[in-house]
Amino acid sequence: DAKTTQPTSMDCAEGRAANLPCNHSTISGNEYVYWYRQIHSQGPQYIIHGLKNNETNEMASLIITEDRKSSTLILPHATLRDTAVYYCIVRVESYNTDKLIFGTGTRLQVFP
Amino acid sequence: DAGITQSPRHKVTETGTPVTLRCHQTENHRYMYWYRQDPGHGLRLIHYSYGVKDTDKGEVSDGYSVSRSKTEDFLLTLESATSSQTSVYFCAIRAGGAETQYFGPGTRLLVL
Repeated sequence: DAKTTQPTSMDCAEGRAANLPCNHSTISGNEYVYWYRQIHSQGPQYIIHGLKNNETNEMASLIITEDRKSSTLILPHATLRDTAVYYCIVRVESYNTDKLIFGTGTRLQVFP
Repeated sequence: DAGITQSPRHKVTETGTPVTLRCHQTENHRYMYWYRQDPGHGLRLIHYSYGVKDTDKGEVSDGYSVSRSKTEDFLLTLESATSSQTSVYFCAIRAGGAETQYFGPGTRLLVL
């Protein structure tokens, strides 16, 4: 199963864009990249996902490289409430279900 | 929160006692999941269900059993709790056109 690699921690000034990188060099052609975040031991919160194309929603943008070996989550205007652990996940389809393979994530600290 | 509740939210128990955690959903989703989260490991899949009475093992299923007798409830049982099962347990459902997993608020279990 494909695994992801993320920096352990990052800082970002409030109001600035937060760019969170992720490497997934062993990803297969039909595997999606998902991003979740977890705020202070709450349940993980879905942010965005993509397969090949860049994606944008009300929370964030996802940029996937052409070779699909890496991606970047962009929070365009970070706020203090965006302080959380961000997980880059490869979703694997298997018989009867799917699997989300979580790594240890990036702890993003947004400061005033 | 995708209509997911977990009970209890906190529990302290002793080694060797049976423990049952409940995940309840109100939106008739077919797929349900149990994860555990421990420092340094991210979230790991314990068991999942793809329908009433249809369940299967995840990557860390030893020491756990599950049951799903009706669509809305997915029960996780520790037959004889051990200290290594001290963890935070999250339930998830799969929903939406993108088949995204959405997580409940979690149950903190301490086994003494």
